[in-house]
Amino acid sequence: DAKTTQPNSMESNEEEPVHLPCNHSTISGTDYIHWYRQLPSQGPEYVIHGLTSNVNNRMASLAIAEDRKSSTLILHRATLRDAAVYYCILRAFIRGGGGSNYKLTFGKGTLLTVNP
Amino acid sequence: ETGVTQSPTHLIKTRGQQVTLRCSSQSGHNTVSWYQQALGQGPQFIFQYYREEENGRGNFPPRFSGLQFPNYSSELNVNALELDDSALYLCASSLDSETSELFFGEGSRLTVL
Repeated sequence: DAKTTQPNSMESNEEEPVHLPCNHSTISGTDYIHWYRQLPSQGPEYVIHGLTSNVNNRMASLAIAEDRKSSTLILHRATLRDAAVYYCILRAFIRGGGGSNYKLTFGKGTLLTVNP
Repeated sequence: ETGVTQSPTHLIKTRGQQVTLRCSSQSGHNTVSWYQQALGQGPQFIFQYYREEENGRGNFPPRFSGLQFPNYSSELNVNALELDDSALYLCASSLDSETSELFFGEGSRLTVL
């Protein structure tokens, strides 16, 4: 399985932008790049995903390198509620069976601390 | 529209016992997947079910098994529990879509003594 590499932890100040990097040098052409976050005592929560082009939604922006070997999750104005573990994930196709056969391969993620 | 719910939230078992964890998918979702999350680690994919059939499996032994029911609720069964099975077990549901996001429950915390 293709793997992702993220910094173990990052720190930010409230209301400042945060750039969370991710390396995925062995990404294949069919892998989607997904970002999830996990707040304490909760299950992961979808943030954003993309394939080749940069993406924006209400939560964040995703910048994908032209060669797709790295990406950056951008939180435009961090709040205290954004403190969480952020996972950069490759959504890979699973051969066989019916339906959409995809699995998420999580790494250890980046623990984001937001200072007031 | 209700979210993904899991039960029980916490449970304690002893080595060698069997456990069944339950998940109620988000309304309208026909795909469910299960993940194991050890303390301090990211979730690891166990398997996925689509319309009551397993259609993908991670690197877990056969003593990890599952079921998906016609109403798309599901179960994760683990036989012959080992100490290393202590973890948070997460259920996630999704639509049958190539890029569909997964909706996770809050998990079932299993402790094996």
